[in-house]
Amino acid sequence: DTGVSQNPRHKITKRGQNVTFRCDPISEHNRLYWYRQTLGQGPEFLTYFQNEAQLEKSRLLSDRFSAERPKGSFSTLEIQRTEQGDSAMYLCASSFTAGLAGIQETQYFGPGTRLLVL
Amino acid sequence: AQKVTQAQTEISVVEKEDVTLDCVYETRDTTYYLFWYKQPPSGELVFLIRRNSFDEQNEISGRYSWNFQKSTSSFNFTITASQVVDSAVYFCALSDVFGNEKLTFGTGTRLTIIP
Repeated sequence: DTGVSQNPRHKITKRGQNVTFRCDPISEHNRLYWYRQTLGQGPEFLTYFQNEAQLEKSRLLSDRFSAERPKGSFSTLEIQRTEQGDSAMYLCASSFTAGLAGIQETQYFGPGTRLLVL
Repeated sequence: AQKVTQAQTEISVVEKEDVTLDCVYETRDTTYYLFWYKQPPSGELVFLIRRNSFDEQNEISGRYSWNFQKSTSSFNFTITASQVVDSAVYFCALSDVFGNEKLTFGTGTRLTIIP
C-alpha cells in the first residue's frame, strides 16, 4: 500500500497569485487532515474531512483558503491572493476512523508541499 | 486547551551515546492519545509511536523507548546507542480524541548525532 502523496512538492509563486495543492490519502482512509508548518514550529491544524464532508476549519484558515474533497478520496487546498505570510510547509495526513468513542487512530503524513511566496 | 511543550530546542550528542527527548503536555481530557513523530530533512513526518492515556506501560522498540508518566504529564523518548541516521527533528503530539482528533504538536527538538 502506498503512503500519503502530495503534489507539488515545492511551489514558488508571486504575491497575489493563486495556488492549489493536492493530497492523495492512503486508500480506504476516511479522514483527511491539512496542517501548516512554519519554520521552527510544529504543524498546526487547518481543517479536516470525514469522507467528503469538511467538518471543521481552524481560525488559522482565512477566507482566502479553501479545501475540498469532492469524492471522499483526494483533497485540494487552494490559497487565493497569496501573501508572504502564507509561506510554509503544507502537510496532509490521513487516518481511518471507525467512529468508536475514545479510540484514536494514527494519522499518517505525506511529504508536504513547501510554498514560498515572493 | 491542549498544549505540548518540548523545552529542548536542540540537542547534539556523539554517536553511540544515549539521548532523551522530553515532552510535557497539558489537557483537561481524561482520555487522550500521545504520539511521537520524526521529521528528517526530507520533511515527511514519520510516525513512531501512539500511546493511550490509560496505558502507562513503558514501551521499547529496538533502540527506542518511551516513558509515559501521567503524574508528571510527561511522555519522554529515549534513543539508546544513537546513530547518525537518528538525526532529525522529533515532535511530540497530543490528540483531541472526543473532538476532531486533530493533533496538537510541540515545537520539536532538533537532534544532531555527531559521528
